[in-house]
Amino acid sequence: GAVVSQHPSWVICKSGTSVKIECRSLDFQATTMFWYRQFPKQSLMLMATSNEGSKATYEQGVEKDKFLINHASLTLSTLTVTSAHPEDSSFYICSAPRGGRGEAFFGQGTRLTVV
Amino acid sequence: SQKIEQNSEALNIQEGKTATLTCNYTNYSPAYLQWYRQDPGRGPVFLLLIRENEKEKRKERLKVTFDTTLKQSLFHITASQPADSATYLCALDLSSSNTGKLIFGQGTTLQVKP
Repeated sequence: GAVVSQHPSWVICKSGTSVKIECRSLDFQATTMFWYRQFPKQSLMLMATSNEGSKATYEQGVEKDKFLINHASLTLSTLTVTSAHPEDSSFYICSAPRGGRGEAFFGQGTRLTVV
Repeated sequence: SQKIEQNSEALNIQEGKTATLTCNYTNYSPAYLQWYRQDPGRGPVFLLLIRENEKEKRKERLKVTFDTTLKQSLFHITASQPADSATYLCALDLSSSNTGKLIFGQGTTLQVKP
């Protein structure tokens, strides 16, 4: 079945540094991918839509200059958290839809801890 | 704005019983409603999708109903097993063309006790 791979699974970084998270669709092409953030004991909150070959679309309240999204190919989207701060510590998850009905395949998530 | 509510944060049941989870939504008329399973520290896994013109959908021990008048979906796990313990999320597609841009409920954590 369709698989979405996310890397790294976890990362610890120092405050002020940047972190890049990769999301790959392994056996299908994804012109659109989505990035979510999940805080402990809360549901997934949509951050942005990653569009292959064009700019990402960000949800209200999400800083586009802080969360840089690049969708350079049909199988890869990256999320870069710039100048990370402890409040950016969260679980980041990407997804890619397949099948034309909106069902989504999710990556395994990335646990980001900013110290 | 669109809102999805799963009306219990946690549900504890005995092995072998049927678990029933509820999802209610407002200010939206989705063409599809989806259910996902999420284990701790993992991304959600797709379980079932039901269309607005379908009343019920089944997959093995799972059953989903969709009442567009009540704006409610029920998710049933029959003959529950400890391995079914997880958080279950309902989701609606925010786009008009079902692109996979989802809004999630807060989830119900199911604990099946042996």
